[in-house]
Amino acid sequence: DTAVSQTPKYLVTQMGNDKSIKCEQNLGHDTMYWYKQDSKKFLKIMFSYNNKELIINETVPNRFSPKSPDKAHLNLHINSLELGDSAVYFCASSPRRGSYGYTFGSGTRLTVV
Amino acid sequence: DQQVKQNSPSLSVQEGRISILNCDYTNSMFDYFLWYKKYPAEGPTFLISISSIKDKNEDGRFTVFLNKSAKHLSLHIVPSQPGDSAVYFCAARFGNQFYFGTGTSLTVIP
Repeated sequence: DTAVSQTPKYLVTQMGNDKSIKCEQNLGHDTMYWYKQDSKKFLKIMFSYNNKELIINETVPNRFSPKSPDKAHLNLHINSLELGDSAVYFCASSPRRGSYGYTFGSGTRLTVV
Repeated sequence: DQQVKQNSPSLSVQEGRISILNCDYTNSMFDYFLWYKKYPAEGPTFLISISSIKDKNEDGRFTVFLNKSAKHLSLHIVPSQPGDSAVYFCAARFGNQFYFGTGTSLTVIP
């Protein structure tokens, strides 16, 4: 029973398309995150939600829009995909904001062609 | 800007020997430091942590050392085992946010 599950695991799509990555956690955590790991392996936070409320919104293009329908879900929608969006996207959750008990999903490898 | 750096992208160690993974940071306001371990096709998993008020934390074969004056963090694994082969990320907390390094790929040779 996966604690943090994200789908799909792999996503190959053409430039200009719109795609979504879904994330769900069954840990009862209050806070969820999206991280991007780029080609340089740098794991950088994109967004953080606490109880459905956006608390961290790093400098990412407006084409990226997170949606949290409830505190167990944090989806990432990306409009007009570009080649530079190719990366591995990790969802994570923690009991509360600032808590170090992160649980990560297994990642979604997005390839834009 | 990268506030947490792992300058060694890879490290190879013989089984049974000590593995030392290093991490440097720039923000003196970081109050908590962690190490995560990542296997291929999996997300990072929490390994060990240390508060900025301490200089050492030990958990079994894993020990984390913190040198605040040098802004340096290290993870020692002894003895190293083949199952320890993975990518290790260090991370540091400021406020509600964690900053990750780029990872060091450790290979333990049987």
